[in-house]
Amino acid sequence: DAGITQSPRYKITETGRQVTLMCHQTWSHSYMFWYRQDLGHGLRLIYYSAAADITDKGEVPDGYVVSRSKTENFPLTLESATRSQTSVYFCASSESQGSPLHFGNGTRLTVT
Amino acid sequence: AQTVTQSQPEMSVQEAETVTLSCTYDTSESDYYLFWYKQPPSRQMILVIRQEAYKQQNATENRFSVNFQKAAKSFSLKISDSQLGDAAMYFCAYTHTGANSKLTFGKGITLSVRP
Repeated sequence: DAGITQSPRYKITETGRQVTLMCHQTWSHSYMFWYRQDLGHGLRLIYYSAAADITDKGEVPDGYVVSRSKTENFPLTLESATRSQTSVYFCASSESQGSPLHFGNGTRLTVT
Repeated sequence: AQTVTQSQPEMSVQEAETVTLSCTYDTSESDYYLFWYKQPPSRQMILVIRQEAYKQQNATENRFSVNFQKAAKSFSLKISDSQLGDAAMYFCAYTHTGANSKLTFGKGITLSVRP
């Protein structure tokens, strides 16, 4: 099915562990984004990518790593999870600048 | 840096009535896009409406319309004939059209609909 898929949908991990959140889109959109959603903060941009092998920091990049070796995949890695990274994470893609974002269903991550 | 402000954290509307959600933004750009997204309890992010800054005409999508005041940097969403399914969190968002543009969101407003 065409669309954007995030996995897992829910994840519980311990402080200090490495966690990778997956994002896959089937539209071949150039742009992909990772946001985190926290109460009182709305959605804040972590990282984004304009094309394969091109990534850039957003508003809150500390503690996160991304890669984009293929156009369709944009994984987000928490190298050493902290409790402050407990959040809902959204991946999104868009065809071009100014185009609406298409969002995945989000991953709820809890760091204990 | 661009900022998007939604000053009302919560609003409530009676079913079948009209409600307006406020949004202001700050930018030095002249060409940009504005969006309203809806997030129901399912957590899914759904595009409601999109406005291009160079268009003076306000965007409309069925029961949803915007009041875009470029000089005032205001972008409010009007929901007519409110339905129970409109209950959700609504986010206003902005992006400019230049290089390295990315979508900046407001903090959101929770809309409840009273039957």
